Amino acid sequence: SQTIHQWPATLVQPVGSPLSLECTVEGTSNPNLYWYRQAAGRGLQLLFYSVGIGQISSEVPQNLSASRPQDRQFILSSKKLLLSDSGFYLCAWSSDDADTQYFGPGTRLTVL
Amino acid sequence: GQQVMQIPQYQHVQEGEDFTTYCNSSTTLSNIQWYKQRPGGHPVFLIQLVKSGEVKKQKRLTFQFGEAKKNSSLHITATQTTDVGTYFCAGLWAGNMLTFGGGTRLMVKP
Repeated sequence: SQTIHQWPATLVQPVGSPLSLECTVEGTSNPNLYWYRQAAGRGLQLLFYSVGIGQISSEVPQNLSASRPQDRQFILSSKKLLLSDSGFYLCAWSSDDADTQYFGPGTRLTVL
Repeated sequence: GQQVMQIPQYQHVQEGEDFTTYCNSSTTLSNIQWYKQRPGGHPVFLIQLVKSGEVKKQKRLTFQFGEAKKNSSLHITATQTTDVGTYFCAGLWAGNMLTFGGGTRLMVKP
């Protein structure tokens, strides 16, 4: 069966520090991968999605970037965090654009 | 891009009361999916509706897809405290990616 992992689970970082969040999927090949951000009590904001290794589409211009160095690995990064980057970061995978999305447990990021 | 509008944004109910959340699209959908996110958790897939006028049930939850495939609803009968969470619809249009609505946060008073 397929599983999706995210780490770390929680993170507290100072403003201006770098960020690296990792997401890995097991049990499937060539998945579509997604990064979402959710502010407290709010909806899901799609940040990036990827249909294959090295293929990244950005939905919202910001100081975040994403990379997909391996088929089942998706990384969210920032060189300098802003206060507004605080939130709940969710990674998800699907078999294709139209398919059900399966979410990881999320990383709760607080930027102080 | 395409959007699904979801209402209400929040809903407080007394335990035992019914609850309904609605999703609307200005254009015809290929299908619509529903997800539930418990407090502190991640969204979990509940169901997918594909056919015009489709109705599906999961215990106390009833999901409907409109005849024109532009709207959908999730109705919970006799809410329980375990129903607390945020319910998201996600719409799919031909040639596009799944797009999530803003969610309805349900709070149940015991």
